[in-house]
Amino acid sequence: QVQLVQSGAEVKKPGSSVKVSCKASGGTLSSFAISWVRQAPGQGLEWMGGIIPSLGTAHYAQKFQGRVTITADESTSTAYMELSSLRSEDTAVYYCARGTYNNYAFMFYYLYMDVWGKGTTVTVSS
Amino acid sequence: QSALTQPASVSGSPAQSITISCTGTSSDVGSYNLVSWYQQNPGKAPKLIIYEVNKRPSGVSHRFSGSKSGNTASLTISGLQAEDEADYYCCSYAGRSTLMFGGGTKLTVL
Repeated sequence: QVQLVQSGAEVKKPGSSVKVSCKASGGTLSSFAISWVRQAPGQGLEWMGGIIPSLGTAHYAQKFQGRVTITADESTSTAYMELSSLRSEDTAVYYCARGTYNNYAFMFYYLYMDVWGKGTTVTVSS
Repeated sequence: QSALTQPASVSGSPAQSITISCTGTSSDVGSYNLVSWYQQNPGKAPKLIIYEVNKRPSGVSHRFSGSKSGNTASLTISGLQAEDEADYYCCSYAGRSTLMFGGGTKLTVL
């Protein structure tokens, strides 16, 4: 059964960037989508964006457009999420999740997320 | 884009049934049968319990069921057990290759 192994906790200064990795152990990213979801302390889940690793096609929530970059390296079964211009409100646990998608009429439909990483805590503080 | 609307909290006694609603718009929940539900225990990653409105992944209890009417999806948990106490989130495809979560509902088993 595939597991998603995320990189370790990060402490960053405001204005800097953070890059979190997510490696598929015991499987590959092929045929799946990878989503990035964050959860601020005491708050709900928030979908940031996703990528179809086999195509290298990424999609972003409007809120994060221009500030987040999601990439994937199929050769290492690893996905990445880079968030720039960090502010204190970006302090959160960041999860990667493997999901299923459909491709119809040139549109990608993210369906659901069935395998989750354990999360990476990112703290933004001066 | 605003989050899907869920009640902040629901509660029920053991063996009872509860329903959690998830209200969106005609641009998300109302337009696609692509609603999923996740259970999250404190300090843990979310777990998929319902997908495509009413399908259960292998290994998920039959006590969990989903439905949808118009712009509102619902999660029903029957035969409440203490172990069901957790946070529950709905999620819907929201167009333009994006997903949207609900604000989450805290379930308390009395």
